[in-house]
Amino acid sequence: KAGVTQTPRYLIKTRGQQVTLSCSPISGHRSVSWYQQTPGQGLQFLFEYFSETQRNKGNFPGRFSGRQFSNSRSEMNVSTLELGDSALYLCASSFLEAGSSPLHFGNGTRLTVT
Amino acid sequence: QKEVEQNSGPLSVPEGAIASLNCTYSDRGSQSFFWYRQYSGKSPELIMSIYSNGDKEDGRFTAQLNKASQYVSLLIRDSQPSDSATYLCASWAGNMLTFGGGTRLMVKP
Repeated sequence: KAGVTQTPRYLIKTRGQQVTLSCSPISGHRSVSWYQQTPGQGLQFLFEYFSETQRNKGNFPGRFSGRQFSNSRSEMNVSTLELGDSALYLCASSFLEAGSSPLHFGNGTRLTVT
Repeated sequence: QKEVEQNSGPLSVPEGAIASLNCTYSDRGSQSFFWYRQYSGKSPELIMSIYSNGDKEDGRFTAQLNKASQYVSLLIRDSQPSDSATYLCASWAGNMLTFGGGTRLMVKP
């Protein structure tokens, strides 16, 4: 069974640009969650989508947005990039809502903002 | 703000010893708890999930949950150098999954 696939693996952007990250969950999983991981802040929850609906949102500015498609694939968008957005962005899928069943993480997208 | 707290470590144990990792959580409504292992430069991978008070064993790993005291622990028996990683504790209270900052474990040969 294929795992969670995130693309691209690495991105370098400049301040002010926008970026879109993609996540394909494990087949049959309907929940996709996004996390930002930095050395100083650890794993910070961004948002969760379940059956195309945003179920929860973390404490991030509106520049961070996402969506989920009918095939459960998800995209995350960050507009007007700032230096502080440099991080590892992790996507995770689960069969049920995140927490009521375990999360399975992708390999992440390493975003560098210069 | 609901929190999950872990000692950042590093926790250093000799090969073959028992490593004990602890985690406390603030939300009394937390229902599910998870331990993830993250190697440097890799993504977290699930080790254990635990939903009710008591112990749950899986191979060399034992997760312990005490809801009254609001703590979760992970014991690793016969620790191996390959167990050296950061261990993340997470709790779920019905809304979102909250992660602790992780404990770095070093197993010395």
